[in-house]
Amino acid sequence: GQNIDQPTEMTATEGAIVQINCTYQTSGFNGLFWYQQHAGEAPTFLSYNVLDGLEEKGRFSSFLSRSKGYSYLLLKELQMKDSASYLCAVGDSNYQLIWGAGTKLIIKP
Amino acid sequence: IAGITQAPTSQILAAGRRMTLRCTQDMRHNAMYWYRQDLGLGLRLIHYSNTAGTTGKGEVPDGYSVSRANTDDFPLTLASAVPSQTSVYFCASSGTDSGANVLTFGAGSRLTVL
Repeated sequence: GQNIDQPTEMTATEGAIVQINCTYQTSGFNGLFWYQQHAGEAPTFLSYNVLDGLEEKGRFSSFLSRSKGYSYLLLKELQMKDSASYLCAVGDSNYQLIWGAGTKLIIKP
Repeated sequence: IAGITQAPTSQILAAGRRMTLRCTQDMRHNAMYWYRQDLGLGLRLIHYSNTAGTTGKGEVPDGYSVSRANTDDFPLTLASAVPSQTSVYFCASSGTDSGANVLTFGAGSRLTVL
């Protein structure tokens, strides 16, 4: 079967760095996506990895290892507004997205 | 309209009633999707449409139907609502961002079936 695993909840301190991990088992691979979802709002696109390695976008970076079925999202210089759920999704062999349940990130002052 | 508009924002519905959730996009995206989001679960695809005039079944299509008469509109219909269809429903469309097929989501429709 297809499966995306990520931690349910994480807590971090304002100004710090946090790494959110995602492991996946899917039929085929057509890219790994990270989305941010604030409570009561729609998910919004953060990053995309299709090749192994690190993609950096400002305070956010995403890493992919296809051989290990593993990705992480790294958030630096955490701000209170980063409190949200972070959703990992993988494109399968039919280019449909398989979604993880999301990691709720709580930022404390 | 900018992006994707969903209506209604929220609705309480008696079991057995028919309900249509509306979705309109103005980005001229070919592909559109309906997802449901339930606590503790990932987004689950209900139905999708790769282009106007075509539709396909996702992971959880039972009890739902869709139509795609034109590029902009993709309504989702519950023919006879049941309590297990209580959920938040997101409509999305896909375009390209840095080579990736990125989804843009509507604000969601919260449906409660009693």
